[in-house]
Amino acid sequence: ETGVTQSPTHLIKTRGQQVTLRCSSQSGHNTVSWYQQALGQGPQFIFQYYREEENGRGNFPPRFSGLQFPNYSSELNVNALELDDSALYLCSEGSYNEQFFGPGTRLTVL
Amino acid sequence: GENVEQHPSTLSVQEGDSAVIKCTYSDSASNYFPWYKQELGKGPQLIIDIRSNVGEKKDQRIAVTLNKTAKHFSLHITETQPEDSAVYFCAAARTGSARQLTFGSGTQLTVLP
Repeated sequence: ETGVTQSPTHLIKTRGQQVTLRCSSQSGHNTVSWYQQALGQGPQFIFQYYREEENGRGNFPPRFSGLQFPNYSSELNVNALELDDSALYLCSEGSYNEQFFGPGTRLTVL
Repeated sequence: GENVEQHPSTLSVQEGDSAVIKCTYSDSASNYFPWYKQELGKGPQLIIDIRSNVGEKKDQRIAVTLNKTAKHFSLHITETQPEDSAVYFCAAARTGSARQLTFGSGTQLTVLP
């Protein structure tokens, strides 16, 4: 079991809406990453935050944005939801060495 | 950018047999190669990793080998058990300020009792 928790577990939204997903860690790592995992595929890197600053971004549009707070918890915000945004969203903690993932938030866009 | 290919996509073995999953990567600068196990409804769990200065690493029934020249690495599971059934992902990353993992497409391993 990792110390990474994510909320909510499941979420249903309609196209065009906005969503905020949350991630927190008991261990308080200063680096958090977010990944999108479509059904039947491997996770894809969205971005990473280090000490509250974005520290690397994958091939995702600007409507995917994030925040990291002083207590190292994090949020992923997605605006103008599209059907293809339906996926499992994972956050991970850790940086140079191992990355440990939370259980994910399953987002369904109708 | 990095591209990781993983084979096979599905693998069925009898309990007690060995399982091998293979991955290739494209970025010669990648130097960190973790393997994750993902069970239904859960996030990926790190099971073993290897760095580019090592050719092989073993942890009980699990081993990983790395061939940097050929740019491929493999996961070996011996004496498979039903609880090994899951989806396995390989990944690659390069040293840098952002440890961006590029994942393979996954292997559904089924261990038949």
